[in-house]
Amino acid sequence: AQKITQTQPGMFVQEKEAVTLDCTYDTSDPSYGLFWYKQPSSGEMIFLIYQGSYDQQNATEGRYSLNFQKARKSANLVISASQLGDSAMYFCAMRPRSGGSNYKLTFGKGTLLTVNP
Amino acid sequence: GEEVAQTPKHLVRGEGQKAKLYCAPIKGHSYVFWYQQVLKNEFKFLISFQNENVFDETGMPKERFSAKCLPNSPCSLEIQATKLEDSAVYFCASSVEARAPNEKLFFGSGTQLSVL
Repeated sequence: AQKITQTQPGMFVQEKEAVTLDCTYDTSDPSYGLFWYKQPSSGEMIFLIYQGSYDQQNATEGRYSLNFQKARKSANLVISASQLGDSAMYFCAMRPRSGGSNYKLTFGKGTLLTVNP
Repeated sequence: GEEVAQTPKHLVRGEGQKAKLYCAPIKGHSYVFWYQQVLKNEFKFLISFQNENVFDETGMPKERFSAKCLPNSPCSLEIQATKLEDSAVYFCASSVEARAPNEKLFFGSGTQLSVL
């Protein structure tokens, strides 16, 4: 079974500053993909960034980077130069690659990020 | 298309009525997943398809929920005799494959179902 833990129910950051959203995971699968999604108040799920468990380098997508520490089973999202439009719920998720798990995405409970002007 | 298209955006039903939700996955994507999001933070897996075949239906309340993905048609999720507890946002997501490197899962904008 897979488990994702996001320990920060809410986070506040000042505009233009960087913020780190924490995510730890637990799995017995040796191979998996890690994802972050953004859900603004309008409700849609926006894909932000992806990291494969065998990727050597940390993933980056514009202002988003994923601080992947495999030994610690953590996949923290770093948002640089926060903008007001970054205020949203952020979900960490994992998708195992073994057939036994049927490739389901497992989500954390989310972190609500508020960017202050 | 280049995005997962879900319709309708909002659906209101009286308790006991039928509800039908639709999802057109991204063209070329073989896997389709349905998730239910209750109270804005908990995601519950319902069912997945590999092309038109049910891949995993372990999350489906089978008495009232059914789903299909037929060739050349949008996928559908149907709830017979809706209950108040079915009120949620239903998301559809698709991916090219289930394994790397094409395992990224893209979501539609969801259908907000309100059962009154």
